[in-house]
Amino acid sequence: NAGVTQTPKFQVLKTGQSMTLQCAQDMNHEYMSWYRQDPGMGLRLIHYSVGAGITDQGEVPNGYNVSRSTTEDFPLRLLSAAPSQTSVYFCASSWAGELFFGEGSRLTVL
Amino acid sequence: GNSVTQMEGPVTLSEEAFLTINCTYTATGYPSLFWYVQYPGEGLQLLLKATKADDKGSNKGFEATYRKETTSFHLEKGSVQVSDSAVYFCALRLTGANSKLTFGKGITLSVRP
Repeated sequence: NAGVTQTPKFQVLKTGQSMTLQCAQDMNHEYMSWYRQDPGMGLRLIHYSVGAGITDQGEVPNGYNVSRSTTEDFPLRLLSAAPSQTSVYFCASSWAGELFFGEGSRLTVL
Repeated sequence: GNSVTQMEGPVTLSEEAFLTINCTYTATGYPSLFWYVQYPGEGLQLLLKATKADDKGSNKGFEATYRKETTSFHLEKGSVQVSDSAVYFCALRLTGANSKLTFGKGITLSVRP
């Protein structure tokens, strides 16, 4: 089983560039979410979705956009990257309250 | 608001030592409690959970008991192994909160041979 797949695993951007982090899951989970992980900060929720066509903001949504056109996919968009968005990003899907995480995407913004 | 507080790290132990990682929480309702583990270079994975007071979650030799009176969910293992070296996160989820989890800051455990 593939589970939750994130791409790319590593990315370097310049300030002001845009990019999309891809997330796909093959478990037919309705709930998906994006977190960022920073040293000493734990994981912070960026955006989440309870099903196709429905998204909502988490704890730190500024600078990020999401959409959910299908159950399987939940991309995270950075429209104008900033150095403060340098982080490791994790996508997760959920069933029965348990989160299933991807392997992470390490983003560096110069 | 809801929050999870973990003890400061990192923690370094010798193999076969006893492990305790403290976790306390603040919640407006009656949360479910979780421990997630992140091995080097990987995403987080569920280690154990407890959904109501006095429940004990256990997995891979790790245990944690949901203590409502002390609002705690401390993680313990009687004899750690080198393979237990990882980052450990305590988390809570409120009833009816879909699957939104609130995480602690995590603590890094290193086990020496």
